[in-house]
Amino acid sequence: EPEVTQTPSHQVTQMGQEVILRCVPISNHLYFYWYRQILGQKVEFLVSFYNNEISEKSEIFDDQFSVERPDGSNFTLKIRSTKLEDSAMYFCASNGLGNQPQHFGDGTRLSIL
Amino acid sequence: GENVEQHPSTLSVQEGDSAVIKCTYSDSASNYFPWYKQELGKRPQLIIDIRSNVGEKKDQRIAVTLNKTAKHFSLHITETQPEDSAVYFCAASKGGTSYGKLTFGQGTILTVHP
Repeated sequence: EPEVTQTPSHQVTQMGQEVILRCVPISNHLYFYWYRQILGQKVEFLVSFYNNEISEKSEIFDDQFSVERPDGSNFTLKIRSTKLEDSAMYFCASNGLGNQPQHFGDGTRLSIL
Repeated sequence: GENVEQHPSTLSVQEGDSAVIKCTYSDSASNYFPWYKQELGKRPQLIIDIRSNVGEKKDQRIAVTLNKTAKHFSLHITETQPEDSAVYFCAASKGGTSYGKLTFGQGTILTVHP
């Protein structure tokens, strides 16, 4: 069964640095999402992306964040000037047209020191 | 925006018993309600979903019910097994073709004792 893949599985970064989290959605999917989950808390929506543009974003997704689909397969989340509170698990998800649910990747655990 | 409340936060049952987890949502425009199971350190995995034109859906030991009028939906697991132990999240979405963003509940830690 096709899967959403994310790299790296764990990223450790100094506060103030920039990080790029990478995702390869399922190949025939057209809608892409980023969510985050702070340890012990619920999953929170960050942004959705369709047709090479953001379709919706949450209050969390401020100017510090950006997303990009640089080629036909990758979908990236960039976090500039990272803060301690950015430490979380970041999940990528995707789905296709019609009655298809979202499938999640294994996540990237981001630790800001 | 949408708000999803989930109860209980923890649930402990004996193997073979049933488990019920309940969620309420605030936005009457929500029309898609998935349930995800998340094991420690793993991805959320879809276990069952229901759309607003259906009142109940079953898949083997798992069932979901939806009450649109009351804006609540529930997950029912029968004949629980130790491998059912995990965190369960409900979610709601208004979607459209894409089903849109998911708003998650706070999660329920289910522990099934052998």
